[in-house]
Amino acid sequence: KNQVEQSPQSLIILEGKNCTLQCNYTVSPFSNLRWYKQDTGRGPVSLTIMTFSENTKSNGRYTATLDADTKQSSLHITASQLSDSASYICVVSNRAGTALIFGKGTTLSVSS
Amino acid sequence: GAVVSQHPSWVICKSGTSVKIECRSLDFQATTMFWYRQFPKQSLMLMATSNEGSKATYEQGVEKDKFLINHASLTLSTLTVTSAHPEDSSFYICSVGGRVNTEAFFGQGTRLTVV
Repeated sequence: KNQVEQSPQSLIILEGKNCTLQCNYTVSPFSNLRWYKQDTGRGPVSLTIMTFSENTKSNGRYTATLDADTKQSSLHITASQLSDSASYICVVSNRAGTALIFGKGTTLSVSS
Repeated sequence: GAVVSQHPSWVICKSGTSVKIECRSLDFQATTMFWYRQFPKQSLMLMATSNEGSKATYEQGVEKDKFLINHASLTLSTLTVTSAHPEDSSFYICSVGGRVNTEAFFGQGTRLTVV
């Protein structure tokens, strides 16, 4: 069964600190993995998209890694800001590209 | 990237009435759009794929007669929740793109509350 599992479910950190969010998936055949940021009451906004051959991709203070062998990905946020408070969703696409499988997200709260 | 606009952002309606949600692709001609539903602290769940000029494709368990989708042009898809009930209260989101390795762009979502 195609699944995307994220951990932790929620996370609270102090402003300026770093954090890492995890994503494990069982989607097969794999096409790509995406990370989205979803602010409360808003639609998701893309952070990164990685294909099978990519191990790491950065977007500003966000760095995503992908290990296609172990089917794991992480999203590292550096020097967190209050505006980083949101839900971060891991999404995996199958090779046919016909479906996006969404994780439940990690809710990040950055406090001052 | 594509700009996707949803309207309204939120709506409250009485049980038994119908509500229409619009999804517009402002700068991208979309032959396909996607409608999702998201309950609190849950994943986005695909409801249906909206196809321009033809019938929508519904996911298993989604009632096509209750959730009417119309994709009359390359820039507009509408989702009508008919005879809404409190259990239909949810966050509805549309998107364009996302096939294969293409980027997916989401609307800002519509919060529906049925009282």
